Amino acid sequence: AQSVAQPEDQVNVAEGNPLTVKCTYSVSGNPYLFWYVQYPNRGLQFLLKYITGDNLVKGSYGFEAEFNKSQTSFHLKKPSALVSDSALYFCAVRDAGKSTFGDGTTLTVKP
Amino acid sequence: DTAVSQTPKYLVTQMGNDKSIKCEQNLGHDTMYWYKQDSKKFLKIMFSYNNKELIINETVPNRFSPKSPDKAHLNLHINSLELGDSAVYFCASSQGFGRNNEKLFFGSGTQLSVL
Repeated sequence: AQSVAQPEDQVNVAEGNPLTVKCTYSVSGNPYLFWYVQYPNRGLQFLLKYITGDNLVKGSYGFEAEFNKSQTSFHLKKPSALVSDSALYFCAVRDAGKSTFGDGTTLTVKP
Repeated sequence: DTAVSQTPKYLVTQMGNDKSIKCEQNLGHDTMYWYKQDSKKFLKIMFSYNNKELIINETVPNRFSPKSPDKAHLNLHINSLELGDSAVYFCASSQGFGRNNEKLFFGSGTQLSVL
């Protein structure tokens, strides 16, 4: 069975600083990995995905994620955080047409 | 244009009642899903339909019955509502079933409060 883990419930960063939101995964076959963002009272929005190829994936709003097969990780990153990036972030793995989500990480960016 | 739309946005009801949540997608997708997000924001899949056929049923109580009249609609009917059913329910869609490289498109959610 597939699973993802987001070890941090909360990440706090200052505006302008780099941010990292961590995710590790477990899947029996090839990993198909996704990041989604949820703003308050909204549905989840797709940020980026890793399917194959380059380990560094670029996505929406300046976010990127680094796939590391040996560490089974797929951390979300951004070089310079904005206050507007404050939201709930979900990592997900997809297998056999089913998406399994991590428990989410709340990112707070302070001015 | 809203790609995945759910109604109602808020639903407040008494224990024991029966209620429905409707979902429609205008993306031409074949696959639709229901997810439940609890008070801790954990997100769990409930059902998946592909072209009106039930594909995934994640051991959800049979008080929950999804209905897909066509591939653009997936409604969720809940009988005999319980306090523990209080949550935000999200509808989602994707192009096709079994394609692992596809992202999900989510509706804005229905906040169900059972009193």
